[in-house]
Amino acid sequence: EAGVAQSPRYKIIEKRQSVAFWCNPISGHATLYWYQQILGQGPKLLIQFQNNGVVDDSQLPKDRFSAERLKGVDSTLKIQPAKLEDSAVYLCASSLYRGVSTDTQYFGPGTRLTVL
Amino acid sequence: DAKTTQPNSMESNEEEPVHLPCNHSTISGTDYIHWYRQLPSQGPEYVIHGLTSNVNNRMASLAIAEDRKSSTLILHRATLRDAAVYYCILRDGFNNAGNMLTFGGGTRLMVKP
Repeated sequence: EAGVAQSPRYKIIEKRQSVAFWCNPISGHATLYWYQQILGQGPKLLIQFQNNGVVDDSQLPKDRFSAERLKGVDSTLKIQPAKLEDSAVYLCASSLYRGVSTDTQYFGPGTRLTVL
Repeated sequence: DAKTTQPNSMESNEEEPVHLPCNHSTISGTDYIHWYRQLPSQGPEYVIHGLTSNVNNRMASLAIAEDRKSSTLILHRATLRDAAVYYCILRDGFNNAGNMLTFGGGTRLMVKP
């Protein structure tokens, strides 16, 4: 079974530029998550989708971050404009369905973003 | 949300057992205890979870204290590949508002050959 795919793996941009990350979850997984992991810290949830609807985006900085999940499958996370503090690894995860506390999340390898 | 406390780092010798502790004194009756680990340059991966009873799987064992205020992840024979950051996470079994994982700082396990 193929895992969660993310691209690109690495991205370097200058501040105030825009950047987009792509995620393809495991086939059949209804729930998709985006996490931000700053160096030395645990991942922090940015947004959670159930199919193509948003379940939780309370920690997404909506003035510069946006995310969408077209047709309930692939997802794109965008930052516009980027700031220095956005330098982090952006992790995508998927799970079969939400509301089940034993539901395992499967993570992709992440995209490492460096903002200069 | 109930919080967990873990040591920042631990060291182990290869092929010896490792006991990774986690304190969760404010755990509620509906909280499940989950463990994930993150190998270098990879996303986190699921290790094990439990509610009240001790649990075993091919990766590890989870020992839960009788009062559920602490738990221990046990790796029976550490290998170099087990060097990772281990996260102990509580998840509410009756929260239908979401299913997110709230990560703390975790424990960085170093395995010496």
